[in-house]
Amino acid sequence: GAVVSQHPSRVICKSGTSVKIECRSLDFQATTMFWYRQFPKQSLMLMATSNEGSKATYEQGVEKDKFLINHASLTLSTLTVTSAHPEDSSFYICSAPGQGTVEQYFGPGTRLTVT
Amino acid sequence: AQRVTQPEKLLSVFKGAPVELKCNYSYSGSPELFWYVQYSRQRLQLLLRHISRESIKGFTADLNKGETSFHLKKPFAQEEDSAMYYCALGGAGGGNKLTFGTGTQLKVEL
Repeated sequence: GAVVSQHPSRVICKSGTSVKIECRSLDFQATTMFWYRQFPKQSLMLMATSNEGSKATYEQGVEKDKFLINHASLTLSTLTVTSAHPEDSSFYICSAPGQGTVEQYFGPGTRLTVT
Repeated sequence: AQRVTQPEKLLSVFKGAPVELKCNYSYSGSPELFWYVQYSRQRLQLLLRHISRESIKGFTADLNKGETSFHLKKPFAQEEDSAMYYCALGGAGGGNKLTFGTGTQLKVEL
């Protein structure tokens, strides 16, 4: 089946720095990818839709200047958390729909800790 | 607005007992409903979708538009069913976008 990878799996950064998280579709192309945020013992909250070759679409309440998304190729989307603060600490998950299917394939997630 | 409600955060059942994980949704259009499962230390994966009307690992779910529900059922719980279950809603105009419920932790006890 289709596989989505994320890198890094976990990252610790200092407050005020920026962190980039990569999401790759390994054996299929994805013109669209989704970025979610998950707080401990809570549900996944959709942050934005990443569109290959065009601007990302952000959900209401998500700061686009803080969470920069770049979808430069059909297999790679990146999420950059700029000027990170402790409240940005969370589990970030990406997903991509399979080709010709409604199923979404999820990455393993990235644990971000901002100190 | 799209909304998915899973009223139970935790459901604990004994092995061999029936399981029902509740899911209600709110959506003005034609909904597409899914159940995703997350086993311990694993990524989220699709369990089943309403349009395929299939049974996966003994689980079934029927879309009831009158009650706006998509409850997940299994007649006899197994220990390996212990996991986090998320109900998700997609819409025809949503471009594969999903709205997730808060999830239900299923614990199957021996």
